[in-house]
Amino acid sequence: AQTVTQSQPEMSVQEAETVTLSCTYDTSENNYYLFWYKQPPSRQMILVIRQEAYKQQNATENRFSVNFQKAAKSFSLKISDSQLGDTAMYFCAFTSNYGGSQGNLIFGKGTKLSVKP
Amino acid sequence: KAGVTQTPRYLIKTRGQQVTLSCSPISGHRSVSWYQQTPGQGLQFLFEYFSETQRNKGNFPGRFSGRQFSNSRSEMNVSTLELGDSALYLCASSLGLAADTDTQYFGPGTRLTVL
Repeated sequence: AQTVTQSQPEMSVQEAETVTLSCTYDTSENNYYLFWYKQPPSRQMILVIRQEAYKQQNATENRFSVNFQKAAKSFSLKISDSQLGDTAMYFCAFTSNYGGSQGNLIFGKGTKLSVKP
Repeated sequence: KAGVTQTPRYLIKTRGQQVTLSCSPISGHRSVSWYQQTPGQGLQFLFEYFSETQRNKGNFPGRFSGRQFSNSRSEMNVSTLELGDSALYLCASSLGLAADTDTQYFGPGTRLTVL
């Protein structure tokens, strides 16, 4: 069975500093996709960043970047220059490429990130 | 472009009743997925519909069912409600055509409370 593990239930960071959220996953698939989603207190889930397993280059989106280690099955999220608006639950998610569908995400339990002024 | 909308936003039911939740995807999206979010179990995949056909199904009992209409709107139904069905039910839509470029966009959710 495919699983996603986030070992940090809660983290905090000072505004403008950098924080890294950890995620490990388990799969026997070779072709899959990994995501970080953000769920602010308003509850709307927002995609932060995605990574295709076949791409060796780590994905980057503005202040957000990932460290994808395929052999270690690790997918961490780094947030640079943290802002108060980054306060949210962060979920790591996985899906394999069954029939082109990405509609069956497997989520980790989440990491609650608090950015302090 | 309007985002994913879910109705109702809040719902209170009693044990044994049934409930229907609705999800309207982003215009042009043909895939709709449903997830259950609870404090204990986290986010769990329920099912995915694409062009009116169920494409994937999670590990939930048969009391949970869904359907998709020709305009891509989707409904999920839970029959014989149990206390443990209290949760935030999230709907997500995507184009559903190519995994390499597909991205799921989530709605605000429906908060179901079973008394």
